[in-house]
Amino acid sequence: AQSVTQLDSQVPVFEEAPVELRCNYSSSVSVYLFWYVQYPNQGLQLLLKYLSGSTLVESINGFEAEFNKSQTSFHLRKPSVHISDTAEYFCAVSWPQYMKTSYDKVIFGPGTSLSVIP
Amino acid sequence: EAGVAQSPRYKIIEKRQSVAFWCNPISGHATLYWYQQILGQGPKLLIQFQNNGVVDDSQLPKDRFSAERLKGVDSTLKIQPAKLEDSAVYLCASSQRRIMNTEAFFGQGTRLTVV
Repeated sequence: AQSVTQLDSQVPVFEEAPVELRCNYSSSVSVYLFWYVQYPNQGLQLLLKYLSGSTLVESINGFEAEFNKSQTSFHLRKPSVHISDTAEYFCAVSWPQYMKTSYDKVIFGPGTSLSVIP
Repeated sequence: EAGVAQSPRYKIIEKRQSVAFWCNPISGHATLYWYQQILGQGPKLLIQFQNNGVVDDSQLPKDRFSAERLKGVDSTLKIQPAKLEDSAVYLCASSQRRIMNTEAFFGQGTRLTVV
């Protein structure tokens, strides 16, 4: 069965320190991978995505994620975090044309709460 | 372009009452999703529409939840009767299904509290 795992439910980190949020998924077929961010009292926003090509993808605010097919992982990293990065981060996996149907199936992980400490 | 619109933002009801949520997706987006997000958990897909047809409602508690998408545009999600465990944020999302891209755009959600 398809699943998405985010092993760390809470990650506290000091400002300007590096951070890595882990995401693993299970699938026997090709997938698309996403990281969404949810700031307090706001909806989910797409942070970055991997569809194909280079396995390293970057966002405009300094985050990057690397797709590792052999380890079925898509970990999110930032070399130096800011107070404004405090938020909930969700990894999501999409199976295009799920089981040869005409629609795509998307599953979210349970989320990682990132708290940046001044 | 305008984003996904949801209303109301907040709703408090007593258990066994009914409630309805409304969603207007981004214009032209064929796929519409309703997710339930319980505090401390990731969004769980309740129902997925492709145009005005249901393609996945496997996790929708059909004895109390219902949803429709009239004319393939806006959608309503109803709970009748509500239970305490239905307290959650209900998120609506839409996507324009294209080859090699299934990015979903989310509304701000409706926070439901059942007391």
